[in-house]
Amino acid sequence: DGGITQSPKYLFRKEGQNVTLSCEQNLNHDAMYWYRQDPGQGLRLIYYSQIVNDFQKGDIAEGYSVSREKKESFPLTVTSAQKNPTAFYLCASSIQQGAFNQPQHFGDGTRLSIL
Amino acid sequence: SQQGEEDPQALSIQEGENATMNCSYKTSINNLQWYRQNSGRGLVHLILIRSNEREKHSGRLRVTLDTSKKSSSLLITASRAADTASYFCATISGGYNKLIFGAGTRLAVHP
Repeated sequence: DGGITQSPKYLFRKEGQNVTLSCEQNLNHDAMYWYRQDPGQGLRLIYYSQIVNDFQKGDIAEGYSVSREKKESFPLTVTSAQKNPTAFYLCASSIQQGAFNQPQHFGDGTRLSIL
Repeated sequence: SQQGEEDPQALSIQEGENATMNCSYKTSINNLQWYRQNSGRGLVHLILIRSNEREKHSGRLRVTLDTSKKSSSLLITASRAADTASYFCATISGGYNKLIFGAGTRLAVHP
């Protein structure tokens, strides 16, 4: 079955540590996205990528970094500069970034907590 | 920035009743989408309504869009316990598939 796989499901970060969240899709989608969700709130866009080797900052990119070396993969690194990283992180993809009448498909998320 | 605002924040109903959730937004849009999120899971796309459409149906779901009032509603008819979830509206403005989400409505359907 095609879909988006996020791993790990739960992740714990120590002070001063960088952690990387994995997102892999086999939907052959061009565009991929990372969102952050805090309790009782909607999703906020961290980074998005329209095509391989290209990505743009979203609304809350500070303290995060991404790479897009392969079409299928869009890992997110939460750096030590992100002072409040505890949240639920969701990865999504869509057929084309510019195709604005296409839905986004989501993974099942990674819950990041501070030790 | 938050474009959509859902109302109510929480809704509790009995199985078989209808559930209505509303969404208001601030700027002009290309389309408006509704998503569902079960607890601890990712979002699932339910329905997309374009800015030139006024109503759309999908199974037990009915979505309306009023661009003059910048609002949309999602109606779930004959609700089931399995409909218990959070429901989010999301809008797209401009030429990119960049969704802006509201804070969601938490729906609880009791058997």
